[in-house]
Amino acid sequence: DSGVTQTPKHLITATGQRVTLRCSPRSGDLSVYWYQQSLDQGLQFLIQYYNGEERAKGNILERFSAQQFPDLHSELNLSSLELGDSALYFCASSATEGRTEAFFGQGTRLTVV
Amino acid sequence: AQSVTQLGSHVSVSEGALVLLRCNYSSSVPPYLFWYVQYPNQGLQLLLKYTTGATLVKGINGFEAEFKKSETSFHLTKPSAHMSDAAEYFCAVSEVEGFQKLVFGTGTRLLVSP
Repeated sequence: DSGVTQTPKHLITATGQRVTLRCSPRSGDLSVYWYQQSLDQGLQFLIQYYNGEERAKGNILERFSAQQFPDLHSELNLSSLELGDSALYFCASSATEGRTEAFFGQGTRLTVV
Repeated sequence: AQSVTQLGSHVSVSEGALVLLRCNYSSSVPPYLFWYVQYPNQGLQLLLKYTTGATLVKGINGFEAEFKKSETSFHLTKPSAHMSDAAEYFCAVSEVEGFQKLVFGTGTRLLVSP
């Protein structure tokens, strides 16, 4: 158990819908990272937050957004869902802005039908 | 931009045999390199990382990797495979010293037969 908690574990929704994925980092970790793992694209970095502020951005679509709250949990919002958004979404957390190991959660499997 | 190529989407070995998983990277600056393992229905777990210094890096579970700049490689090895090593392995590169914006390879599934 990495200490990173992601909910829900599985999510099935229809095209055009909006979903929110939640991540609770390890206790004391200030950084949260979001990654997408799909058959087409492999593992891709989406976005990083550090202590509530966006720190780095990867290949995140405009339909996707994220935030980190004062209690350090993070949410990834996916809207206007398409079939191609079906993937495993991972959250990871680390103690510092990036130089310490990032621990991954077990992921949320999103299926868009 | 940096990238990672993992040769072989599947590697099969017998229990007790040498494990060799290949990773080649491309980076315009000195890279930071990582190997992660993903067990079924689990998140990724860091096996080892290369930042600076010694080019032979030892990780958990008996794995090690050697950074070879001349070959732009960071192959993962283990002298003797165990059934519990069966998993998917990902090589990753970063252009900054740390775990930000990791660029992952496509992964290699290791199959271990008795």
